[in-house]
Amino acid sequence: DQQVKQNSPSLSVQEGRISILNCDYTNSMFDYFLWYKKYPAEGPTFLISISSIKDKNEDGRFTVFLNKSAKHLSLHIVPSQPGDSAVYFCAASAFGGQNFVFGPGTRLSVLP
Amino acid sequence: DAGVIQSPRHEVTEMGQEVTLRCKPISGHNSLFWYRQTMMRGLELLIYFNNNVPIDDSGMPEDRFSAKMPNASFSTLKIQPSEPRDSAVYFCASSQTRGIEAFFGQGTRLTVV
Repeated sequence: DQQVKQNSPSLSVQEGRISILNCDYTNSMFDYFLWYKKYPAEGPTFLISISSIKDKNEDGRFTVFLNKSAKHLSLHIVPSQPGDSAVYFCAASAFGGQNFVFGPGTRLSVLP
Repeated sequence: DAGVIQSPRHEVTEMGQEVTLRCKPISGHNSLFWYRQTMMRGLELLIYFNNNVPIDDSGMPEDRFSAKMPNASFSTLKIQPSEPRDSAVYFCASSQTRGIEAFFGQGTRLTVV
């Protein structure tokens, strides 16, 4: 039973356009969410986070939106760059815990 | 800072053999995590430590798996005996405090034949 879902295994976007990566969760106790980016043969690297007390967090080209009622969050990358091509993981934890549950990932390809 | 250091990067072993994966967390980090990544199950948390003490090992698949953190700068994940289904990439990660992002090592790709 997947508690964190990323229903799009892959996504292709043209350079300069917006990339939108989606994540859904089932556990209503989740209160902290992270996005990680992973290049081949490397470990995941942290990108951006959001707490359940907020509905938006922005860091440069990256913005994460949280819709608690829909149990849905999304990562927007604007503008997309070829270097953004990677696998993106959504992760969630509950009650301030450190045992984050990861989604299966979405492979983003940004085409020049 | 060199980041989280894992060794070996690749390990090929025969079924039934003992395998030990090693991790050196970032200095000053007080939390350490072991994850496993497979095609079928994605990235799963196996166990994590706070201040060298195991906090949650509910993700450890079975008794063949064990993890130790004898001091703040070293941790091991041991599989004994290993089985082909243990083949995966094992990541170690460390972090400073709750809610702050974890820094991952480059992973150990384990193949059990």
